[in-house]
Amino acid sequence: EVQLVESGGGLVQPGGSLRLSCAASGFTFSSYSMNWVRQAPGKGLEWVSYISSSSSTIYYADSVKGRFTISRDNAKNSLYLQMNSLRDEDTAVYYCAREQGGVSTPFDYWGQGTLVTVSS
Amino acid sequence: DIQMTQSPSSLSASVGDRVTITCQASQDISNYLNWYQQKPGKAPKLLIYDASNLETGVPSRFSGSGSGTDFTFTISSLQPEDIATYYCQQYDNLPQFGGGTKVEIK
Repeated sequence: EVQLVESGGGLVQPGGSLRLSCAASGFTFSSYSMNWVRQAPGKGLEWVSYISSSSSTIYYADSVKGRFTISRDNAKNSLYLQMNSLRDEDTAVYYCAREQGGVSTPFDYWGQGTLVTVSS
Repeated sequence: DIQMTQSPSSLSASVGDRVTITCQASQDISNYLNWYQQKPGKAPKLLIYDASNLETGVPSRFSGSGSGTDFTFTISSLQPEDIATYYCQQYDNLPQFGGGTKVEIK
């Protein structure tokens, strides 16, 4: 059974840092591209970042570029999101999601999410 | 950047009704369009990929159609368990989600 479990969320002050983790199991993690998607309270889904299976290709949304860093450790079946210079508007539930591959590369499995609250 | 315009933002329908949601892309995205269902407090769930393909295990009352810039998501007979917010998502270049459609029972 495919499982994605996020951790590392919490309360942080503006300007602070936080590192999110996503532990993967039930599939060959090293074969799949992964993404982070976030959802602010009461709002819609916002894609945050992408990393290819080998970490050779990385993309970020403009809203987090230069502040967030995505990475992965295939030996540990883990995905990470280092978040620096956090702002109030980064408050959201953060989901990791697996890309299925294929034509439109949908996100076929999602974690349960971890809440990040940026507030003084 | 490609913009996704999803409508309506909310709708109320009776059990058994046919429900239709549309998603329009600001430029041609071929069939690089997916649909997700999100229930309150839960992670999104993939329903339709490549505009019209039903994900394994998803009930056949859900369907999708369209290509290019105009796409449609349909629930042929609304059930109480379909109460959720539905999102379209394009992946022509970088992923982009529509604003969502909240579906409620009348």
